[in-house]
Amino acid sequence: GDKVKQSPSALSLQEGTNSALRCNFSIAATTVQWFLQNPRGSLMNLFYLVPGTKENGRLKSAFDSKESYSTLHIRDAQLEDSGTYFCAANSGTYQRFGTGTKLQVVP
Amino acid sequence: DAGVTQTPRHEVAEKGQTIILKCEPVSGHNDLFWYRQTKIQGLELLSYFRSKSLMEDGGAFKDRFKAEMLNSSFSTLKIQPTEPKDSAVYLCASSLRGGAYEQYFGPGTRLTVL
Repeated sequence: GDKVKQSPSALSLQEGTNSALRCNFSIAATTVQWFLQNPRGSLMNLFYLVPGTKENGRLKSAFDSKESYSTLHIRDAQLEDSGTYFCAANSGTYQRFGTGTKLQVVP
Repeated sequence: DAGVTQTPRHEVAEKGQTIILKCEPVSGHNDLFWYRQTKIQGLELLSYFRSKSLMEDGGAFKDRFKAEMLNSSFSTLKIQPTEPKDSAVYLCASSLRGGAYEQYFGPGTRLTVL
């Protein structure tokens, strides 16, 4: 079965609203990463996390290694936040990606 | 500063051919990653180098895929022989050192195997 599951698979958000994406994994992850792939296909790193939380502007992410999940919170969603969000669970050099959450922010 | 560059941007190959994809990481970065992205399998790590040493060779891809780092500023990914199921976007990324540092991704090479 899937070792890294993301939910929801797709999401439509009104501009200015908030939401949370979730990543559950069945591997013993030591670190988690979040990436954004924009509609043109370019990938960018959002967060690299050890257990705990990190915040960057309107984005905040948390990683709970005991419960094997991570969340990505988006505050005050903007049109440019649209794209597909991927999480990756890392164990040593082993890295497994989720299937992504496709986010569309609408005016 | 130049970001990660990948060439070619598009490649079309016949089944059974050998193809070589190229990547130049961000100058000064020590870590280099090769990924593959398909609609069905999603994103998969193929190889990971730290200071030119292979740290992860993506077990499932060992037989026909070989990544090399010839020097700190150039890496290749060879697929030999190609199969139609290898059709995908191949992404290269680099980071200063380890996952704690931000990864910078190249634009990718879209490979189509006929």
